[in-house]
Amino acid sequence: SQQGEEDPQALSIQEGENATMNCSYKTSINNLQWYRQNSGRGLVHLILIRSNEREKHSGRLRVTLDTSKKSSSLLITASRAADTASYFCATDSGAGSYQLTFGKGTKLSVIP
Amino acid sequence: DAGITQSPRHKVTETGTPVTLRCHQTENHRYMYWYRQDPGHGLRLIHYSYGVKDTDKGEVSDGYSVSRSKTEDFLLTLESATSSQTSVYFCAIRPTSGGVNEQFFGPGTRLTVL
Repeated sequence: SQQGEEDPQALSIQEGENATMNCSYKTSINNLQWYRQNSGRGLVHLILIRSNEREKHSGRLRVTLDTSKKSSSLLITASRAADTASYFCATDSGAGSYQLTFGKGTKLSVIP
Repeated sequence: DAGITQSPRHKVTETGTPVTLRCHQTENHRYMYWYRQDPGHGLRLIHYSYGVKDTDKGEVSDGYSVSRSKTEDFLLTLESATSSQTSVYFCAIRPTSGGVNEQFFGPGTRLTVL
């Protein structure tokens, strides 16, 4: 079963605007990760937030985590056409073998 | 790209035929994973390996088997392919040194079962 569920499923914005994607999950986690997938390519890791962290920044990315609500959000500021991709959250429950459980993804389109 | 290659990159086969997909890594990482990606489902874990000859099932393992006889290679086999196994298959590795927690993905194999 899917652990993470992203919202919205699809998002279309103008270049320069901010994009916010949300992820909800069901069970306790060790950390939560966000990945990006360009069309026809493999996934690329963007950022990781641990269960004891509330916010993390990396360049134009800002991730928040609310473990009480079992939710996370990814904010991309000042979006660019090159940010057009699908974005997935993935949860690591801390069990052995470092398995990740992925959500279904948000497809972001940034219009130049 | 973390030195991960997948072969073949594209394959079309017929129902009932056996198919083997190969994932090869060049950096001797212990953990390797096979996922399938389908529209509306995101990525789902099929099998994973935590060392040579050490493998275990994931969420959607029915109809798939794996083998890992060498650190660098992780094979995914469909013993008798079915149309429901038409998908894009991704291999991933997870480094276990340097405090790295993310997974690195290969380019994917697009499999079509007619």
